[in-house]
Order: sequence, then structure tokens, then C-alpha cells
Amino acid sequence: DAKTTQPPSMDCAEGRAANLPCNHSTISGNEYVYWYRQIHSQGPQYIIHGLKNNETNEMASLIITEDRKSSTLILPHATLRDTAVYYCIVRPPPNEKLTFGTGTRLTIIP
Amino acid sequence: GAVVSQHPSWVICKSGTSVKIECRSLDFQATTMFWYRQFPKQSLMLMATSNEGSKATYEQGVEKDKFLINHASLTLSTLTVTSAHPEDSSFYICSALEAGTDTQYFGPGTRLTVL
Repeated sequence: DAKTTQPPSMDCAEGRAANLPCNHSTISGNEYVYWYRQIHSQGPQYIIHGLKNNETNEMASLIITEDRKSSTLILPHATLRDTAVYYCIVRPPPNEKLTFGTGTRLTIIP
Repeated sequence: GAVVSQHPSWVICKSGTSVKIECRSLDFQATTMFWYRQFPKQSLMLMATSNEGSKATYEQGVEKDKFLINHASLTLSTLTVTSAHPEDSSFYICSALEAGTDTQYFGPGTRLTVL
């Protein structure tokens, strides 16, 4: 599986957009980029995933660069409840295994 | 999104006893479920992959005779920690793979404390 690199921690002001970067320079053509987050003492929550095109849902937007070597998760209007560890994971189909790295600890500041 | 439940949410047991944790997909069928373990301040580590109606596939270093996994139906997988010891104390999390979307949805986790 392709390795991902994320900053260990980030702060964002409440109400602002939170932009979380992820590098996956060894990603293969058929590997998807998945984002999950884990709030303290809870199971991970699925956020969004994509292959090539940018994706948007009710939670976030995912921007994938044209060469697919990096991506950015965007939380458009961060709230205090968005404080969590965010994991960027590359997953090749049909292998369903998810390998969690250390993620980015995002802290939303009032 | 799809919902996965776990029961119990927490359990405290004596050393040497066995503990069973249930994982259910509530609004979808899951032919594949996964069991993870998370120690404090660490990331999730995959323990095993559970396929309905067949034997589980364990990750390297995970004792299959200690962590018994049963996936008897398309909505239920169980993890039994046999002869639990204090070092088995951890946060156990399951996930279920939603067919069609190929997305894993996670349960809320079970905190096991072995005294």
C-alpha cells in the first residue's frame, strides 16, 4: 500500500476553513484516497474518498492534485466538534485493508 | 452513512476470563468485517479480517487461538478474547465493508480493561 505523510498537528480558528494536507507520492493508478477522523475515545468516522476527481459531500471537500501525489481535505467552516485526529489513507481495490498512519491532530480554537 | 454498532461499549474483567465483543452492521449487509486494536496514544492496528461463513485472516503477530473471530451472518461478527490478561487491555474497534461502495464504516469501539 502507498505510504501517506501528514503533518502531526494543526490548529484552525473556529468558523474558518480547515485545510489538511496529505502527501501520497507513491500512489498507484487504481488506489483511492480515503479520509477518516477519530474523535477521542470513539471509532473512526468516514469523511470522504476519491480517485482522481475532486469530491464534495455534506462534511467536506477533497481536492486531489492532477498527478495524484497529494490531496487536501477541506472542512469549509470548522466548528469545535471538528477537533479530532484526521487520517489520510490510500487503499488499492479490491484490497479492503486500511492501514492507519499517525494522522493529523486538528484542534479548532474558539 | 451506514451504521455499525458494538456491544459492549466497555467491559472490565478479571485476568484469565474470556470476553466476547459483538459488531453489527445495522442498515447494510457486510460480507467482510475487520477488527482493530488501539493502544493509548497510538494509531489503529488491524488484527484480523473476517469474512462471512469462512475463517478469519489474522495479521502477523496476532494469536488466532487467543482472539477468536466468528462471522456467522452478514450483519454480525464477534471477537472473543480468551484467557484475557492485563496486556490485552485496549480499545477494540470493528468495521464493516459496505458492498457496492467498498467503504469501511467503523463501530464506536469497546474499551476492555483486564484486572
